[in-house]
Amino acid sequence: NAGVTQTPKFRVLKTGQSMTLLCAQDMNHEYMYWYRQDPGMGLRLIHYSVGEGTTAKGEVPDGYNVSRLKKQNFLLGLESAAPSQTSVYFCASRISLSEQYFGPGTRLTVT
Amino acid sequence: KQEVTQIPAALSVPEGENLVLNCSFTDSAIYNLQWFRQDPGKGLTSLLLIQSSQREQTSGRLNASLDKSSGRSTLYIAASQPGDSATYLCAVSHNNAGNMLTFGGGTRLMVKP
Repeated sequence: NAGVTQTPKFRVLKTGQSMTLLCAQDMNHEYMYWYRQDPGMGLRLIHYSVGEGTTAKGEVPDGYNVSRLKKQNFLLGLESAAPSQTSVYFCASRISLSEQYFGPGTRLTVT
Repeated sequence: KQEVTQIPAALSVPEGENLVLNCSFTDSAIYNLQWFRQDPGKGLTSLLLIQSSQREQTSGRLNASLDKSSGRSTLYIAASQPGDSATYLCAVSHNNAGNMLTFGGGTRLMVKP
């Protein structure tokens, strides 16, 4: 039981490049979330999903897209990276209204 | 809009002290409250989950209390150890569409040997 895993752990992008962050969970959780964490800003919700095939916007969705084609995976895409998207990205999952479990994070730098 | 505040932002104590971390929230209509620990460069680890109908939860040297009506929670750490040094985050959950969490800014704890 690996819990919540994230790929990659680190990435450096140039402005305008695209990439996809992968989150996988093996706990059969319905709900999955993508957050970003920035100094002084705390954790902010980007997008979330309440089940396979569904996605919704969180607090800071601009510049990001997501997909949940399989229940265990939640993908976060950056179509045209900007320096403002330099951050640490965390994925999380939960059964409805239970504990939320977090992945180890992806540290992204956009130059 | 729910706002979650954690005081103090940073705390330094000598090893062995008992300490209290505070969390307050503006909207008392929460479903549950969760305390997390985050070590530098790492993800968040869940410590305790308190349902809105509960008053407290305990795990080892940790005890979390919840006063929903006054919008407050405390995390009590007994006999602190250097290994307790980390950032502690509280987050509240509402019974809304995404069951989303609203996080506080965290308390950065340093326990000195």
